[in-house]
Amino acid sequence: GQQVMQIPQYQHVQEGEDFTTYCNSSTTLSNIQWYKQRPGGHPVFLIQLVKSGEVKKQKRLTFQFGEAKKNSSLHITATQTTDVGTYFCAGMVTNAGKSTFGDGTTLTVKP
Amino acid sequence: GAVVSQHPSRVICKSGTSVKIECRSLDFQATTMFWYRQFPKQSLMLMATSNEGSKATYEQGVEKDKFLINHASLTLSTLTVTSAHPEDSSFYICSARDSLAGVTQYFGPGTRLTVL
Repeated sequence: GQQVMQIPQYQHVQEGEDFTTYCNSSTTLSNIQWYKQRPGGHPVFLIQLVKSGEVKKQKRLTFQFGEAKKNSSLHITATQTTDVGTYFCAGMVTNAGKSTFGDGTTLTVKP
Repeated sequence: GAVVSQHPSRVICKSGTSVKIECRSLDFQATTMFWYRQFPKQSLMLMATSNEGSKATYEQGVEKDKFLINHASLTLSTLTVTSAHPEDSSFYICSARDSLAGVTQYFGPGTRLTVL
């Protein structure tokens, strides 16, 4: 079945450093979504990428969708303590109707 | 933004009893809802896809007779864990897809089930 791999599993950074998490799929995706889950909370939708090579920005967050639509990345510039949490990608295969979640990358930020 | 609620937020029950969890989309209609299970510090495991007015589609390995899903309206889906056992203890999260807004899922706050 479809697999979505996410790396790294954990990332510890000093406040102000950058952070990147990568998502790779074994199959071509129709779209990919990114979520953030704070400790003790539920996943919150961040963004959806649909087009090959797409790049979207949300303030300090930059999201990319690979040309082959098999990989994606989330980059945070100058992390803040409010960025802590687990970031999940979720990829959807064309016409599958459902998304498969990666294992998530847990970010901790040292002030 | 779109809001999804879940009730109850926490439930503790005795082994052998059944527990019903409700998932509601509060300000949009959702023909499709999803039920996930999440173990501590792990990812979300899709259990089933709930479609309004039809039978749910269960993922491989998920017992449909144990996890009963009903999606009777465009704003409500329920998950009933029947004859619960301690190994069913987990965090259950639902999500709903806005029928008019593509494939974006909005997640509920989750239900922490503890089976004694």
